[in-house]
Amino acid sequence: GAGVSQSPSNKVTEKGKDVELRCDPISGHTALYWYRQSLGQGLEFLIYFQGNSAPDKSGLPSDRFSAERTGGSVSTLTIQRTQQEDSAVYLCASSPGGLTDTQYFGPGTRLTVL
Amino acid sequence: GQSLEQPSEVTAVEGAIVQINCTYQTSGFYGLSWYQQHDGGAPTFLSYNALDGLEETGRFSSFLSRSDSYGYLLLQELQMKDSASYFCAVRARNTDKLIFGTGTRLQVFP
Repeated sequence: GAGVSQSPSNKVTEKGKDVELRCDPISGHTALYWYRQSLGQGLEFLIYFQGNSAPDKSGLPSDRFSAERTGGSVSTLTIQRTQQEDSAVYLCASSPGGLTDTQYFGPGTRLTVL
Repeated sequence: GQSLEQPSEVTAVEGAIVQINCTYQTSGFYGLSWYQQHDGGAPTFLSYNALDGLEETGRFSSFLSRSDSYGYLLLQELQMKDSASYFCAVRARNTDKLIFGTGTRLQVFP
């Protein structure tokens, strides 16, 4: 079946604008993660959804960042009043849940804030 | 809390064997995973150790020792295409989320 998809693949925006990044996980996967990766750096955890449980938002860097997951499937990461330091690749991953550690990553959205 | 430390960079030549270490501090986790990420690409799953010992998958092997808070990824018969970043990761028992290590950039030279 299809893998994890993300849109847009690239987004260029002006400082102060809001952006929405979309993630379509693999069908049936109950767990969904958002990460941020700056050039040459590691994966920074942002937020984690598991089934119908309350999301783990402990990685969100500020209240300008929010995410939702509708119907246990598609997720949207919203960044309000973007800043230049928000420029990075935003990666989404899904997994079947349970105790499996296998995550399937999407291709990412490259965000550039001018 | 949880933290996983890896060497920032490792270099080797084609055909050689290289070991990428991962040392961790965590209050408890289910297992140790490894992911590979090529430049400009997304991370892809390589291996998972639920128990102590060695897991072998082709040219790649992964090892875990919970008593030593240590694991490693072993890559044999290195090829140029193995040049990538490698991340270890654990799923913490208290939070159930996957935490990634700092990453190791492997460069393979001819």
